[in-house]
Amino acid sequence: TAGITQAPTSQILAAGRSMTLRCTQDMRHNAMYWYRQDLGLGLRLIHYSNTAGTTGKGEVPDGYSVSRANTDDFPLTLASAVPSQTSVYFCASSALSGANVLTFGAGSRLTVL
Amino acid sequence: GQNIDQPTEMTATEGAIVQINCTYQTSGFNGLFWYQQHAGEAPTFLSYNVLDGLEEKGRFSSFLSRSKGYSYLLLKELQMKDSASYLCAVRDSNYQLIWGAGTKLIIKP
Repeated sequence: TAGITQAPTSQILAAGRSMTLRCTQDMRHNAMYWYRQDLGLGLRLIHYSNTAGTTGKGEVPDGYSVSRANTDDFPLTLASAVPSQTSVYFCASSALSGANVLTFGAGSRLTVL
Repeated sequence: GQNIDQPTEMTATEGAIVQINCTYQTSGFNGLFWYQQHAGEAPTFLSYNVLDGLEEKGRFSSFLSRSKGYSYLLLKELQMKDSASYLCAVRDSNYQLIWGAGTKLIIKP
């Protein structure tokens, strides 16, 4: 089934450790996004990429980095995790055409202790 | 600043109709989206409005008034599977999506 695959599904991480959340899409979408979702808040954009080889900062980029080496993959790295990064992380992609509807992955639940 | 307001929680009865409102204040407007999110799952696309008026899609309809900064999602013939959170999002002048916190809809038998 075409879509977006995220890994891991959930992870508990000690503060100060690094972590990479993986995201792969097979829809050949140009654009990819990383959001975090916290209780009582709307989805907040961390980083995005409109095409392979380019990335941009979203609303809450501090403490996160991304890369876009090819069309399909868009990993999110936390270099030194802090408890405030405890959240559910969603990767999404879109075709950057028409209504530019986002397709989301199933999410990665990260707990930083 | 930019903000999207929608009720935190609503309750409705199976078989009934419910209207979920969304008001927005954004720098520019390039479309409004509604997504459905079941607990523990990913958001999925429901509807898109860019012009004023009503868009109907089966049991779900979405309305937009750009002059009032207002939209609603109308769900008819409610089913238990409609229990979910409904997210309103507006694309601003920079083509960035601004998201509301979501409305949790509880359906009772």
